[in-house]
Amino acid sequence: QAGLTQPPSVSKGLRQTATLTCTGNSNIVDGACWLQQHQGHPPKLLSYRNNDRPSGISERFSASRSGNTASLTITGLQPEDAADYYCSAWDNSLSAWVFGGGTKLTVL
Amino acid sequence: QLQLQESGSGLVKPSQTLSLTCTVSGGSISSGGYSWHWIRQPPGKGLEWIGYIYHSGRIYYNPSLKGRVTISVDRSKNQFSLKLNSVTAADTAVYYCAREQDAFDFWGQGTMVTVSS
Repeated sequence: QAGLTQPPSVSKGLRQTATLTCTGNSNIVDGACWLQQHQGHPPKLLSYRNNDRPSGISERFSASRSGNTASLTITGLQPEDAADYYCSAWDNSLSAWVFGGGTKLTVL
Repeated sequence: QLQLQESGSGLVKPSQTLSLTCTVSGGSISSGGYSWHWIRQPPGKGLEWIGYIYHSGRIYYNPSLKGRVTISVDRSKNQFSLKLNSVTAADTAVYYCAREQDAFDFWGQGTMVTVSS
């Protein structure tokens, strides 16, 4: 399976939990990181090495992996969580970084 | 706090060369363990990795752009640069520079480059 695949959109209600997925070769998603991007702004790192968070990132964001799918779970959804989310990882077979197509999260 | 800032021409004619520079402040581009990347995002679309230069000078490019792209570094100015030649409208995008050590932890604000005659 080439590249990383993300669902184009996910909609959840306020204070609910959203789980975003990223599917690819298991040896690629193993090292996936997650980025959040609000319109008109650069992406921001949320998670890396599957569940390490940079300083300042809320514990509401947590990452995991199962088989060939990496997941980002966002609990207690807030209006400011509405954004585009990207997974990314190094693909050894291509000697290249790859990005998923991104998931647009809508908070209802 | 590390900061990255892209600069360069915002308008490039088709078939010409796009040139951008990323200036790093608050840290050294020669610091061990870090890679310095160019990433772009066409309007309304997702992120596309262009390439990176490792602190040691090793360079990797996106295979889909190989042959058109060159990344270089000027350590004396704490800058790294991107050149993309033979541009077409498909190269119109916001271009970002970013630092990476296992993940992209610092990004520039991005600069819009339009390819148009």
